[in-house]
Amino acid sequence: SQTIHQWPATLVQPVGSPLSLECTVEGTSNPNLYWYRQAAGRGLQLLFYSVGIGQISSEVPQNLSASRPQDRQFILSSKKLLLSDSGFYLCAWRGDGNQPQHFGDGTRLSIL
Amino acid sequence: SQQGEEDPQALSIQEGENATMNCSYKTSINNLQWYRQNSGRGLVHLILIRSNEREKHSGRLRVTLDTSKKSSSLLITASRAADTASYFCATAAGNQFYFGTGTSLTVIP
Repeated sequence: SQTIHQWPATLVQPVGSPLSLECTVEGTSNPNLYWYRQAAGRGLQLLFYSVGIGQISSEVPQNLSASRPQDRQFILSSKKLLLSDSGFYLCAWRGDGNQPQHFGDGTRLSIL
Repeated sequence: SQQGEEDPQALSIQEGENATMNCSYKTSINNLQWYRQNSGRGLVHLILIRSNEREKHSGRLRVTLDTSKKSSSLLITASRAADTASYFCATAAGNQFYFGTGTSLTVIP
């Protein structure tokens, strides 16, 4: 069966520090991969999605970037974190066609 | 923005009652999906309804879709305390998904 792993679960970082969040999927090939951010008590904001290795689409211009170095690996990065980057980051995958998304357990990022 | 909006933002009911949540969206869709999120966790997919479908059932869940009004509703029948969570609708257009702001449901035992 397919599983998605996202880590770390929580992260506290100082302003100006770099960031790397990793997401991996098992049990499927060529998944569509997504990064979302969720502010407290709010909906999900789509940040990036990828339909294949090296293919990244950005939805919102910001301080973050994404990479997909391997088929089932999706990385969210920043060179210098801002206070506004705080939030709950969620990774998700789905297959092609009318398929639902499957989410990881999220990373709660706090910027001090 | 294609983002959907759920209504109401918060809903509190007694165990055993039915809960109805509504979702409105703005553009053409391939399908609409409903998700559940327990506090501090990832989202879990509940049900998907295609744009050519009008109603779909899954256990205690009933979803309707009205593409002419660009709206959907999620009905949870015979609610349980364990149904307490936030519920989100998501619209799909190609590879992109847009989530609403969610309805926070509290079921009182």
